[in-house]
Amino acid sequence: AQSVTQLDSHVSVSEGTPVLLRCNYSSSYSPSLFWYVQHPNKGLQLLLKYTSAATLVKGINGFEAEFKKSETSFHLTKPSAHMSDAAEYFCVVSAGNFNKFYFGSGTKLNVKP
Amino acid sequence: DTAVSQTPKYLVTQMGNDKSIKCEQNLGHDTMYWYKQDSKKFLKIMFSYNNKELIINETVPNRFSPKSPDKAHLNLHINSLELGDSAVYFCASSSRGDTQYFGPGTRLTVL
Repeated sequence: AQSVTQLDSHVSVSEGTPVLLRCNYSSSYSPSLFWYVQHPNKGLQLLLKYTSAATLVKGINGFEAEFKKSETSFHLTKPSAHMSDAAEYFCVVSAGNFNKFYFGSGTKLNVKP
Repeated sequence: DTAVSQTPKYLVTQMGNDKSIKCEQNLGHDTMYWYKQDSKKFLKIMFSYNNKELIINETVPNRFSPKSPDKAHLNLHINSLELGDSAVYFCASSSRGDTQYFGPGTRLTVL
């Protein structure tokens, strides 16, 4: 069975400080993993994805994530937060039945000036 | 050109009415999805179609009926709308489990 746990429902950082959004997954198969961002009243936009190539994945807007199989984690990081990063972030796993995606419950990132 | 489009963007209606939401993708994908996002931002898969064939049908009231006239379209029809149907509905498409691309969402409000 597949599932995703986002460990923090809310994260608050100051502008210019690092961002860490945590995601753990469970999968019976080799997973594909994604991070999506949703700005207020907008649709979901892909930030980055892991599909069994390099374990460190770079995405848009300076975000990156590292796939750690031993820890079943796929945490999202950014060295320096920007006000425009304030949004909801979703970790997603796809495995086995490749037409089904499992969403985490989301992490709301707040960026303080 | 918009990759995944949905109409309407906003839908306000009375309880008991029937309404439809349309979705179109121009990405050449073979799989399309409908998701419901509640007020707590939780995204729940409702349906998935692959090459016009229903492959995922989660526990959704049978008042909800998806229709896929072709690979590029997946419409959602809802009968006898209830207050609890108020949510944002997202359409998405993908190619065999690869990246999903989402539409802008339809905010449904049932009064």
